[in-house]
Amino acid sequence: GAGVSQSPSNKVTEKGKDVELRCDPISGHTALYWYRQSLGQGLEFLIYFQGNSAPDKSGLPSDRFSAERTGGSVSTLTIQRTQQEDSAVYLCASSLVSGGALYEQYFGPGTRLTVT
Amino acid sequence: AQKITQTQPGMFVQEKEAVTLDCTYDTSDPSYGLFWYKQPSSGEMIFLIYQGSYDQQNATEGRYSLNFQKARKSANLVISASQLGDSAMYFCAMREGGTASKLTFGTGTRLQVTL
Repeated sequence: GAGVSQSPSNKVTEKGKDVELRCDPISGHTALYWYRQSLGQGLEFLIYFQGNSAPDKSGLPSDRFSAERTGGSVSTLTIQRTQQEDSAVYLCASSLVSGGALYEQYFGPGTRLTVT
Repeated sequence: AQKITQTQPGMFVQEKEAVTLDCTYDTSDPSYGLFWYKQPSSGEMIFLIYQGSYDQQNATEGRYSLNFQKARKSANLVISASQLGDSAMYFCAMREGGTASKLTFGTGTRLQVTL
């Protein structure tokens, strides 16, 4: 079946502009995660959704970052007033949640964001 | 303290040889999971193998096995019969507690397979 998809694959934006990154998880995966990968910081967790609610937003670096998920499916990560330090690859992942089992997370191809 | 430590920034291995990538972890949660992911130069993160904290046996998936030593808090990845296509970054990650909680990643090991 289809994997996790993300769009756009690349985004170049000017400092101060807002950007929206989209993630479409694997069908049936109720858990959705956003991570950020940058040279200086490695792979960092941003936010986790279970269905449409976000029980863990602890990784969002500032109030310029927000995310939502609708219909238990597609999620959008929004960065307002982008800064150069926001340049990174933004990765989305989804996983199955069933009973008490721990399931692996499947990652999308990422969105490379460059803030000029 | 780092939750996941990968001390080998880079490793070389000859084709067809086995290689061990090190990973140590730190947690006080009795319920946790350990994961290894591969990231080729194309950038996608590929799930390789999973070990649960209560699993009695070491996990194996094809040429990948996880050497889980709970008392030492280590979860090393062993790749047998290395292939050129195994050249990539390898990340160890941990999930603590809840069934769907976040992954915490190590800094990764870049593996280069040579002829």
